[in-house]
Amino acid sequence: TQLLEQSPQFLSIQEGENLTVYCNSSSVFSSLQWYRQEPGEGPVLLVTVVTGGEVKKLKRLTFQFGDARKDSSLHITAAQPGDTGLYLCAGFNSGYSTLTFGKGTMLLVSP
Amino acid sequence: NAGVTQTPKFQVLKTGQSMTLQCAQDMNHEYMSWYRQDPGMGLRLIHYSVGAGITDQGEVPNGYNVSRSTTEDFPLRLLSAAPSQTSVYFCASSYGDRDYGYTFGSGTRLTVV
Repeated sequence: TQLLEQSPQFLSIQEGENLTVYCNSSSVFSSLQWYRQEPGEGPVLLVTVVTGGEVKKLKRLTFQFGDARKDSSLHITAAQPGDTGLYLCAGFNSGYSTLTFGKGTMLLVSP
Repeated sequence: NAGVTQTPKFQVLKTGQSMTLQCAQDMNHEYMSWYRQDPGMGLRLIHYSVGAGITDQGEVPNGYNVSRSTTEDFPLRLLSAAPSQTSVYFCASSYGDRDYGYTFGSGTRLTVV
């Protein structure tokens, strides 16, 4: 069974601070996907990283895929209250086209 | 709006009752999945389908049945509800390519008493 470990599990910061969320696995995934989930809603895709070493930027969010395609990170610059939510990483299982999810990082950004 | 539609949004069942959670998508996605989300456990795959007529078990399939008679619909059946099945259930669909993410429904919150 492939497992994804996310850290930290919970993060509470002030508006304007920077933060990084980590997603690690002992297995290689063909891609890593990051989702954001708000209360009462389903996860929404933020980004997919495919190539080892790839870096993608989405406004204040920077996503990186490790060279060995086993780990990924999400960095948020100058966090805002609107960034509050549950951030989930998911590994794509190419044999079945399914996702294996980490347990998530709950981010709370206070004004 | 295009997307994944789940019904009902909330449901309370008594132990032993059966029910079907509905899921429909209008994006012509071949791949569909059912997940359950529990506190501290993350999202776990129950069943998935790679196309009409083809389904397979995920990580936690016991107590659930699925069928895929059309591309659009992928219902999840609880055969005999148990308190351990109290959870939030999400249906998701995708083109199945590693570059393309999954689109999730807004979930069904199920309580079994």
